[in-house]
Amino acid sequence: QSVLTQPPSASGTPGQRVTISCSGSNSNIGSNTVNWYQLLPGTAPKVVIFSSNQRPSGVPDRFSASKSGTSASLTISGLQSEDEAEYFCSTWDDTLNGHVFGTGTEVTVL
Amino acid sequence: QLQLQESGPGLVKSSATLSVTCSVSGDSIRDNSQYWGWIRQTPGKGLEWIGSIYRSGHTYYNPSLKSRVTLSVDTSKNQLSLTLTSVTAADTAVYYCARDGYSGFAHSYWYLDHWGRGTLVTVSS
Repeated sequence: QSVLTQPPSASGTPGQRVTISCSGSNSNIGSNTVNWYQLLPGTAPKVVIFSSNQRPSGVPDRFSASKSGTSASLTISGLQSEDEAEYFCSTWDDTLNGHVFGTGTEVTVL
Repeated sequence: QLQLQESGPGLVKSSATLSVTCSVSGDSIRDNSQYWGWIRQTPGKGLEWIGSIYRSGHTYYNPSLKSRVTLSVDTSKNQLSLTLTSVTAADTAVYYCARDGYSGFAHSYWYLDHWGRGTLVTVSS
């Protein structure tokens, strides 16, 4: 179902750096900006990165992201316990003419 | 502060019609130039965009759901509605509403900037 591919899990100890990849195609990541969402059970999903590398106000600067060609990545530097959540990449798909999401990556803080 | 709150039936019988409402506070749908989106998270299948609607009623739908989905907006109540017909167990999900991109802006820059907490709808046989 998901158009964008992410690793199912990633982990690190507090203070470590974790990077999550997101792979797509020319009709989505290759043509549009990428957004990253954080999902915690029972809470409203939250955008942590928009327009490929922009942080909304209130999102810590330990969250950063980049995009190259048909792939994108999210990096959490200085991992903290509150970062334990599921992360989804997303972008617009020109063929679908709508939003598409990644398969999701569960980040665990060891 | 913008808040979105979904409300739904909780349990729906297979082959019936599912209806979910999203109440918006802290922003006026009528005065806002953004679309409003619906997204669902199904167990084990991640997030799926259902569609997005503008205050005028203009819609974008996910082609895979288009034949069964209707989105509507009530600007007088500041509410959004989602209707999904002929549901099956595969439609069991947490349904979210969210504020989407700006009308007139390139879709490339659209993102869902505020979400509700979602409402779980289970389809039973």
